[in-house]
Amino acid sequence: NAGVTQTPKFQVLKTGQSMTLQCAQDMNHEYMSWYRQDPGMGLRLIHYSVGAGITDQGEVPNGYNVSRSTTEDFPLRLLSAAPSQTSVYFCASSYVVFGGMNTEAFFGQGTRLTVV
Amino acid sequence: QQPVQSPQAVILREGEDAVINCSSSKALYSVHWYRQKHGEAPIFLMILLKGGEQKGHDKISASFNEKKQQSSLYLTASQLSYSGTYFCGTGMEYGNKLVFGAGTILRVKS
Repeated sequence: NAGVTQTPKFQVLKTGQSMTLQCAQDMNHEYMSWYRQDPGMGLRLIHYSVGAGITDQGEVPNGYNVSRSTTEDFPLRLLSAAPSQTSVYFCASSYVVFGGMNTEAFFGQGTRLTVV
Repeated sequence: QQPVQSPQAVILREGEDAVINCSSSKALYSVHWYRQKHGEAPIFLMILLKGGEQKGHDKISASFNEKKQQSSLYLTASQLSYSGTYFCGTGMEYGNKLVFGAGTILRVKS
């Protein structure tokens, strides 16, 4: 059972380049989300999804796009990379129970992105 | 909208106790607690639902006071393995999304 798999683990981009961070889970979780982690800022929510075809913005969505065509995959796209997007990115997934509460979130191992 | 955690950092000796607090300006439906070791992904500790319940396993427990919109994580008789960054995550009723605080760095020394 792989859980949540993120690729790549490390990436260096030049300013203005675009790329897609991949996230896949094999637990049939409805809820998937992307966070970025910066020193002293904790985990900040970028985008999230409660099922295939349904996405919504989190706290820091600017400069990022998402789509969810299947239950398993939730890719994060950087449209035009900027140095301010240098961060560690985590994907997480969980079940959603009655009332909209998330159960235990499982995190991927993270992608360390540097934009130069 | 991020919950506020306090303290930002705490240093303990083995065997000492610690309390980490998490508060929100919005009404909460659930509170999650996670621990992250350096260079690793966050790992789930526990979830608390509104109703003022207290949960725990081993020497780590937590409480949730929805009237005060606060939760506290209690670590008793701390061990070296407790070192890491602790995050609280908050969920609003019917809100689905999970929003985390800035974290509390806990270091346990021998």
